[in-house]
Amino acid sequence: GENVEQHPSTLSVQEGDSAVIKCTYSDSASNYFPWYKQELGKGPQLIIDIRSNVGEKKDQRIAVTLNKTAKHFSLHITETQPEDSAVYFCAAKDAGKSTFGDGTTLTVKP
Amino acid sequence: GAVVSQHPSRVICKSGTSVKIECRSLDFQATTMFWYRQFPKQSLMLMATSNEGSKATYEQGVEKDKFLINHASLTLSTLTVTSAHPEDSSFYICSAEDRGAYNSPLHFGNGTRLTVT
Repeated sequence: GENVEQHPSTLSVQEGDSAVIKCTYSDSASNYFPWYKQELGKGPQLIIDIRSNVGEKKDQRIAVTLNKTAKHFSLHITETQPEDSAVYFCAAKDAGKSTFGDGTTLTVKP
Repeated sequence: GAVVSQHPSRVICKSGTSVKIECRSLDFQATTMFWYRQFPKQSLMLMATSNEGSKATYEQGVEKDKFLINHASLTLSTLTVTSAHPEDSSFYICSAEDRGAYNSPLHFGNGTRLTVT
């Protein structure tokens, strides 16, 4: 089955700096890669996603890149703000089944 | 956007009692819903996949007689923790897929914090 590895597990940045979270996946059949943000005591919420026929996607301060050959994808957050502090999960999806990374706890220090 | 409503958000029960958690898709139909358990500072652990009108598929190691799942309609799935014990205390989260969308994201509920005393 699919295996998703996510790094780093914790990330601390200064407000205004950029943050990058990386994920690798094992199953070349995976074709959909969403990123979720989970705030304390809440369920995860989708922040951005990318499909396998696209290499990069951007939405304001958030961008995701996908390298299908290397089987890795990354989340980039620019101009970080304290409200970006949360746990971020990547996922790889194939045939209806989603496999999640272990999560990255991002702390943005004011 | 698609909204999944999960209730209750918090529940405290005594050991030996049963607790039911509801997961509703409010503005879309969900053929498939998923139930997760999340331990502090850990990832989402898939417990079972709930399919409308059929039996749920449980992940290895999850007791189907203890965690009863019912998906009676395209907008409602329920998880019942039967004869709950303190070790069942956890954060339970449901998610749903829009049946009309291909390769779409999961829509998550806000979770239920279960405490068994």
